[in-house]
Amino acid sequence: DAGVIQSPRHEVTEMGQEVTLRCKPISGHDYLFWYRQTMMRGLELLIYFNNNVPIDDSGMPEDRFSAKMPNASFSTLKIQPSEPRDSAVYFCASSLIGGGGEKLFFGSGTQLSVL
Amino acid sequence: GESVGLHLPTLSVQEGDNSIINCAYSNSASDYFIWYKQESGKGPQFIIDIRSNMDKRQGQRVTVLLNKTVKHLSLQIAATQPGDSAVYFCAEKRTGFQKLVFGTGTRLLVSP
Repeated sequence: DAGVIQSPRHEVTEMGQEVTLRCKPISGHDYLFWYRQTMMRGLELLIYFNNNVPIDDSGMPEDRFSAKMPNASFSTLKIQPSEPRDSAVYFCASSLIGGGGEKLFFGSGTQLSVL
Repeated sequence: GESVGLHLPTLSVQEGDNSIINCAYSNSASDYFIWYKQESGKGPQFIIDIRSNMDKRQGQRVTVLLNKTVKHLSLQIAATQPGDSAVYFCAEKRTGFQKLVFGTGTRLLVSP
């Protein structure tokens, strides 16, 4: 398996622009997580899905952030409009919790810079 | 809110030494703990996990110790190698709740 795949690896945009981050989880996994990593706040959970349904979005910082999972193999995290303080590394992770395992498998992340 | 507490200290060791990375957690309801390794430019990678009904678990060159009395976790790496240089995170969760809370990490530097 190729693991969790995220795109793009790097995104540089200007304040006010819309940003869309993409994630393909590991096939067969039933949970998908979006995390944000900054030096100040570390790794923060933004939202997670179970079987494509959003379960907990309490970590989403503002209404500017939205996430979707239209099917089991694809999820997006959108920021509209983007702001400089959104600059961070965004990670997607998936897991197969239903099988008794709880370890998360992370993608390589998207480095977002908002100028 | 509750959190796993880790500053981002740096642990410097010589190749071949044993390394010990510590973590304090604050949620006494947490019953599952994981150590992750994050190399530069990569996502966190699972190393080892332990449930609260255990005090110790061993993997290949790594051992995790759990002291529930003082809410403390440690990761021991035997015969540390330069390839072990990375940031190490502990994380906690509670069975039935899928939110995994991460600490802030410890940077391990291994000198040849």
